[in-house]
Amino acid sequence: EDQVTQSPEALRLQEGESSSLNCSYTVSGLRGLFWYRQDPGKGPEFLFTLYSAGEEKEKERLKATLTKKESFLHITAPKPEDSATYLCAVYSGNTPLVFGKGTRLSVIA
Amino acid sequence: NAGVTQTPKFRILKIGQSMTLQCTQDMNHNYMYWYRQDPGMGLKLIYYSVGAGITDKGEVPNGYNVSRSTTEDFPLRLELAAPSQTSVYFCASSYQGLGEKLFFGSGTQLSVL
Repeated sequence: EDQVTQSPEALRLQEGESSSLNCSYTVSGLRGLFWYRQDPGKGPEFLFTLYSAGEEKEKERLKATLTKKESFLHITAPKPEDSATYLCAVYSGNTPLVFGKGTRLSVIA
Repeated sequence: NAGVTQTPKFRILKIGQSMTLQCTQDMNHNYMYWYRQDPGMGLKLIYYSVGAGITDKGEVPNGYNVSRSTTEDFPLRLELAAPSQTSVYFCASSYQGLGEKLFFGSGTQLSVL
């Protein structure tokens, strides 16, 4: 059974204070790891897909990295508009995406 | 371009009532999904469909039914609503495979009292 664990559950940062969110996974053959952003009252919005260990992808202040056991979402110099819940999901080829519980990020001006 | 549209946005049901959550997409996606999201619990898969006429159970299918008569529509039926079905329901779609990025609707917040 595919499992995804995200940490921390919640993170509070000052504007400009860089940090990382963690997504650790247990799957029988990873075929894709996904990051989504979810704003309150809205559906998740796709950010990145990573396919193999060592892969990195960037978008504005966000950079996602992948190892054989976990993925990190690095947030550089965050702004208040980066406040959201960030969801991680995995695909192993057997079932649709399996999601973690998410990390709720608050960036304070 | 509307994407994935869910109706209604909010609904309150009494225990034992039934209802259908509507989901339609205009992107010609073959794959469609229903997830539920409880506070602090992430998204859990209820049912999914890989094409018209084909549906399969996810992790938490009990108390729900689905049908897929067209490519565009994937309604979720709740029979005999229970308080445990109080949740936010999200419909999603992907183009050609289970491992592709999902496009989500804006959700239906359901309370069963």
